[in-house]
Amino acid sequence: SQTIHQWPATLVQPVGSPLSLECTVEGTSNPNLYWYRQAAGRGLQLLFYSVGIGQISSEVPQNLSASRPQDRQFILSSKKLLLSDSGFYLCAWTRQAQGEKLFFGSGTQLSVL
Amino acid sequence: AQSVTQLGSHVSVSEGALVLLRCNYSSSVPPYLFWYVQYPNQGLQLLLKYTTGATLVKGINGFEAEFKKSETSFHLTKPSAHMSDAAEYFCAVSGVGTYKYIFGTGTRLKVLA
Repeated sequence: SQTIHQWPATLVQPVGSPLSLECTVEGTSNPNLYWYRQAAGRGLQLLFYSVGIGQISSEVPQNLSASRPQDRQFILSSKKLLLSDSGFYLCAWTRQAQGEKLFFGSGTQLSVL
Repeated sequence: AQSVTQLGSHVSVSEGALVLLRCNYSSSVPPYLFWYVQYPNQGLQLLLKYTTGATLVKGINGFEAEFKKSETSFHLTKPSAHMSDAAEYFCAVSGVGTYKYIFGTGTRLKVLA
């Protein structure tokens, strides 16, 4: 069966520090991968998605970047965190077909202080 | 372009009463529509989805939704609310020719004893 791992679960970082959140999927190959951010009252904001290794689509110009160094690995990064980067970050995957359900990780609560 | 509007950020119902959560979508292509549920500090779980075919979709935990193209709506209902239904609910849209999934801002359901 397929599983998605996302870590860490909680992270507290000072303003200006770097960020690296990692997400890996097991039990499937060539998944579509997604990063969402959830902020209070704003729902889920799509940040990045990837349909293959090295293919990254950015939805919101901001202080973050994403990379997909391996087929089932998706990394969210920042060189210098801002206060506004605080939020609940969710990784998700789908099979390579349209209209498929998203499978979500358990999320990372990021607090930038 | 695609978007989702969820009317009512908070909905309260009594236990045993009808649950109605509203979702309207905008899509330039035939849509795929989803409802997800999120319990505190967790990822999202799929309740149900509409791709093609029957417009009344049945999901888990007694929920169902009806796709109404003329109204661009996909409202979620459950005949009788249970205390365990208290959670946040998200409507999402994807579409033919895209791998993007756009979510609404969510509706927090409170069930009163």
